[in-house]
Amino acid sequence: GQNIDQPTEMTATEGAIVQINCTYQTSGFNGLFWYQQHAGEAPTFLSYNVLDGLEEKGRFSSFLSRSKGYSYLLLKELQMKDSASYLCAATDSNYQLIWGAGTKLIIKP
Amino acid sequence: IAGITQAPTSQILAAGRRMTLRCTQDMRHNAMYWYRQDLGLGLRLIHYSNTAGTTGKGEVPDGYSVSRANTDDFPLTLASAVPSQTSVYFCASSDGGEGAEAFFGQGTRLTVV
Repeated sequence: GQNIDQPTEMTATEGAIVQINCTYQTSGFNGLFWYQQHAGEAPTFLSYNVLDGLEEKGRFSSFLSRSKGYSYLLLKELQMKDSASYLCAATDSNYQLIWGAGTKLIIKP
Repeated sequence: IAGITQAPTSQILAAGRRMTLRCTQDMRHNAMYWYRQDLGLGLRLIHYSNTAGTTGKGEVPDGYSVSRANTDDFPLTLASAVPSQTSVYFCASSDGGEGAEAFFGQGTRLTVV
């Protein structure tokens, strides 16, 4: 079967660093997306990884290990506005997105 | 403003009634999708369309139908609503290629009573 696992909730402190993990099992794999979703809003694109390694984009970085079926999203210098849910999604062999349930990130002052 | 628009924003619907959720995009994307999002679950694909004139079933298609008469519009119809269809519905579009970013509408919060 196809499955995406990520923690349900995480708490971090403003200014700190947090890593949100995601493991996936899909029938074929083409790449991995991270999206951010603020409460009551639509998901918005953060990153896409297709090759192994770290992709850095400002305060956010995303890592992929295809052999381990593993990805993480790293958020640095946390700000209160980073409080949101972070959704991991893998593309299967048909390029269909398989979504995780999301990780709710709570930032405390 | 370019993007993807859904209507209505929210709706309370009596069980057994028919309802169409509207979705329009002006980005000329080939692919469009309908998802439902329920607490504790990931986005689940209901139906999709890779290009105008074609549609396909996703993970949870039962009780829903779609059409894609043109590039811009992708309505979702609930033929006879049931309480288990209470959810937040998101329409999305993308270029459809590898790594193509999906753009989401603002969502429709549907309550079936």
